[in-house]
Order: sequence, then structure tokens, then C-alpha cells
Amino acid sequence: QLQLQESGPGLVKPSETLSLTCTVSGDSIRSSVYYWGWVRQPPGKGLEWIGSVYYNGNTHYNLSLKSRVTIPVDTPKNQFSLKLSSVTASDTAVYYCARVRASLPDWYFDYWGQGTLVTVSS
Amino acid sequence: QSVLTQPPSASGTPGQTVIISCSGGSSNIGSNAVNWYQQPPGTAPKLLIYSNDLRPSGVPFGFSGSKSGTSASLAISGLQSEDEAHYYCATWDDSLNGYVFGSGTEVTVL
Repeated sequence: QLQLQESGPGLVKPSETLSLTCTVSGDSIRSSVYYWGWVRQPPGKGLEWIGSVYYNGNTHYNLSLKSRVTIPVDTPKNQFSLKLSSVTASDTAVYYCARVRASLPDWYFDYWGQGTLVTVSS
Repeated sequence: QSVLTQPPSASGTPGQTVIISCSGGSSNIGSNAVNWYQQPPGTAPKLLIYSNDLRPSGVPFGFSGSKSGTSASLAISGLQSEDEAHYYCATWDDSLNGYVFGSGTEVTVL
């Protein structure tokens, strides 16, 4: 059974870097048919795609966040991460990691982690 | 402001059919497959429909999706109280080179 688990600090100070890790169990992150991605949801608002990574390091990023985001992958640990720099209060959100079935014109998140709330505050 | 437009809310009584619309453009819905996600209160989103009209294993038959041109829709037949949730359409956008979600529709069972 595939499981994804987010981990990382729940509180980040403004201007600092938000760092989260997603640990994947029940599937190899080296799978040739899947990407792995991050989605966030500010309190009371909708879903926003952040970006996605392939096991070889190939990435796609949301244009609105591209200057501040990186998504590295650690295949030996079967993990991928999210790093979002220069955070502000508007980056406060629940952050979800998920598996991505990516073969255009099909592209969708089929398994999700439970999410983790990250608050940006001094 | 999402490039995919959904009504903010929809409602129905138990047993009724509710239809949620999702309007986009040629670079997103017009070019790629549409997906739908269900998010009950306080939980993570769950894939409900993929590839326009396919249900993952375990999703009840009462949920169905369709797409025509640059619009898509989700139908919930035989509405039940446990269907109360937010529903999001989503697809890849070729112009943005990224994945986009609709603004979401909150479904209420009266």
C-alpha cells in the first residue's frame, strides 16, 4: 500500500526557507511512470500546485513560485523534498506531497499524503 | 484567480443529482485530460475522476465525469450526506507549463 508522509517544521520565520520532506513507502521513487509533487492549500482557500520532480531530477515548477522553489529528490532514501525561500505570511498553508501520474495529455495526483500545516510567523 | 472556473457552491437533497461545471480554455481543458478531486472537511484531497471520465478503484459509480471542448463537468448521482465536500477540477496547462486547479465547489447536502 503506497503511503506518503510529510515532515518538517510547522513554524518558519519570515524571510527564511521552508523545508519539508516527503517519505515514500510502498513504491519506489525510481518508478519510470511517476513524478512526485507538492501541492499547498492556504487556510480556507483552494489548492495550488507548487511543482513536481522525476527521479532523475527533472522538474516542473509553478511559474508564480519558480524563483523561490526547488524540489530535490533523494532516491536512496526514497524521499523528495520541498524548499521554498524568502517566505512570507502568504506562504502559510497546509502542504501536501503526492504521487503524480504524468504522461500528457494525462497528468494527475493519484496518491496524497495527509498534509502538514506550515505557519510563517515571527 | 484560477484559469479554471467553477461555481463556488452547489447543493441538493439526498438522492438527487448535482452537476458541477469547470470552464477553461484551449491551452488547458481544450488540450489535456481533466481530473476531479474530492476533499471532505479536514482531510487531504482524493482523486475522484481521471482522464476526463475514469474512476479509480474504490470510487462509487455515482460519480461521473465528462468533457466537451474547453469545459468539463462532474455529476454526483444519488447524492448522500457523505458526499459533502469541496470538489476541484484540474488539468495541465500548456501555456503555463504547469498543473492548474479550479477554484473549487463546495457541495452541501440539504
